[in-house]
Amino acid sequence: KQEVTQIPAALSVPEGENLVLNCSFTDSAIYNLQWFRQDPGKGLTSLLLIQSSQREQTSGRLNASLDKSSGRSTLYIAASQPGDSATYLCAVRPSDYKLSFGAGTTVTVRA
Amino acid sequence: GAVVSQHPSWVICKSGTSVKIECRSLDFQATTMFWYRQFPKQSLMLMATSNEGSKATYEQGVEKDKFLINHASLTLSTLTVTSAHPEDSSFYICSAPLAGISYNEQFFGPGTRLTVL
Repeated sequence: KQEVTQIPAALSVPEGENLVLNCSFTDSAIYNLQWFRQDPGKGLTSLLLIQSSQREQTSGRLNASLDKSSGRSTLYIAASQPGDSATYLCAVRPSDYKLSFGAGTTVTVRA
Repeated sequence: GAVVSQHPSWVICKSGTSVKIECRSLDFQATTMFWYRQFPKQSLMLMATSNEGSKATYEQGVEKDKFLINHASLTLSTLTVTSAHPEDSSFYICSAPLAGISYNEQFFGPGTRLTVL
């Protein structure tokens, strides 16, 4: 059974600092990995999707890396802003469509 | 990106009543949709896979008679919580994968907050 772990569980940084969020998974036989953002009481917004054959994906200030063999992904958010405050979830997908989610990292960016 | 909607966004009901939650893919067809539940400060747990034209498949520990799923069309799946009890209070979220060149990226609805009194 796939286990997904996100460390740290919570993170508080001053505005402008770079954020580093970690995700690890136990079964490296994945099809892709997806990073999501969730605001309180809201649904999930897809941020980045990395295929198993890719090493990283970038979108604006966001960069996600994937090391499938070691079961790790890292989400980098450059020059954090208060609007980046949210919970960030990573999810891995095996060969079928089912996603296994981590518990998330709750980020607070202080103005 | 693709849009998935849910209705209602929140619902409060009395214990013993049934509640129906709709999940719609607005600009794409989805032969498969997923239903998740999320308890406060916890991650999403997959409940079931909704399949258009066939029965839903449920994850271990999820009561199929309590959580009825109907995938009536290529754009609509419904989850009915039957005889709801306070322990069913949770945040229910659906998702649908987008097939094709976008590598089956999944898009999520905004969620439905269910409170059972």
